[in-house]
Amino acid sequence: GAVVSQHPSRVICKSGTSVKIECRSLDFQATTMFWYRQFPKQSLMLMATSNEGSKATYEQGVEKDKFLINHASLTLSTLTVTSAHPEDSSFYICSARPQGYEQYFGPGTRLTVT
Amino acid sequence: QQPVQSPQAVILREGEDAVINCSSSKALYSVHWYRQKHGEAPVFLMILLKGGEQKGHEKISASFNEKKQQSSLYLTASQLSYSGTYFCGTEGEYGNKLVFGAGTILRVKS
Repeated sequence: GAVVSQHPSRVICKSGTSVKIECRSLDFQATTMFWYRQFPKQSLMLMATSNEGSKATYEQGVEKDKFLINHASLTLSTLTVTSAHPEDSSFYICSARPQGYEQYFGPGTRLTVT
Repeated sequence: QQPVQSPQAVILREGEDAVINCSSSKALYSVHWYRQKHGEAPVFLMILLKGGEQKGHEKISASFNEKKQQSSLYLTASQLSYSGTYFCGTEGEYGNKLVFGAGTILRVKS
């Protein structure tokens, strides 16, 4: 299967600061990547679809000014959580579909806002 | 619209079989199955496409009933390593994004 990496795996930040999470496709090019958020014992909720070279498409209820997505190259998408608050603490996972069918997830980033 | 998974949880002894169901109220193009262990990201198991064949490898297989918009995941002769939360992700005919069910917690005991 395809390999998707994320960095960092864990991050702790103070309330009001911003955090950037990187998602990379290691062995394929990804024109589209997906960002999910998962709260403890809950399902994966799609936040946005990241499109290389264009604006991201956000799901209903997701604040695009708070969760900034940049897909600057065919192998890198970044998610920046701006002015983070404790309620933003969650498991953030990116994914990509190298052939358009199977979708592979990165290892995830656990964000804790204190 | 989120697909509905059943059961919510199941406990098995090693060697027993289990079936996890996933149903949608809208027409589907594909159904994806994943297993997630605590603290880790979901791992891809298999994908079933509309018009495609039943999939399977070793003791894990799945089917897709297009008329009923339902998919089932079959786990036979379960092993301890099968423990985790199983998610189905569905894709509609006109979209390229997956919507995931609430998950089924599977626990295999020795």
